[in-house]
Amino acid sequence: AQSVTQLDSQVPVFEEAPVELRCNYSSSVSVYLFWYVQYPNQGLQLLLKYLSGSTLVKGINGFEAEFNKSQTSFHLRKPSVHISDTAEYFCAVSDQSRNDMRFGAGTRLTVKP
Amino acid sequence: GAGVSQSPSNKVTEKGKDVELRCDPISGHTALYWYRQSLGQGLEFLIYFQGNSAPDKSGLPSDRFSAERTGGSVSTLTIQRTQQEDSAVYLCASSLEPRHEQYFGPGTRLTVT
Repeated sequence: AQSVTQLDSQVPVFEEAPVELRCNYSSSVSVYLFWYVQYPNQGLQLLLKYLSGSTLVKGINGFEAEFNKSQTSFHLRKPSVHISDTAEYFCAVSDQSRNDMRFGAGTRLTVKP
Repeated sequence: GAGVSQSPSNKVTEKGKDVELRCDPISGHTALYWYRQSLGQGLEFLIYFQGNSAPDKSGLPSDRFSAERTGGSVSTLTIQRTQQEDSAVYLCASSLEPRHEQYFGPGTRLTVT
């Protein structure tokens, strides 16, 4: 069965500090991995994706994520966050066994001044 | 170009009434998804359409929920005899190919009183 676990429901951090949002998945077949961001009262926006190739993926707004197959992880990182990064972040996975994309429960990132 | 649009943006209805939610996907996207997002929760998959194939209805929570997609484009999600637990944000997404990145609409916030 395919599932996605976001290990932290809330992450508070001060402005300009680094941040890592953790995501682990389970799947028996090869996967595609995604991070989405949801700002208040808005829909989901794609931050970055891993389909194949380099395991380090760079996305918008200075975010990056690393696919680690042995640890079945796809953690999201940013070296220096801004107030405007305050939002809900969702990790998602799709594979050949299903038609849909499975989402984690989300991590609420709050950046404080 | 135009993104995914959904209407209405907000819907308040009385318990027991039927509601219809509409989704206009990105032109040319063959895959269309409906999700439900309850307060503070992740995304719950509801139904998936791919081209002219039979839809994947495995996520629909009860037989009060149904959806159709006309002409491979616009989709309507119908909830009959609404209950208070149906209150949530209903998100629609489309993608060019199954399992690839999905583009989300802004959602319809449904409140059942």
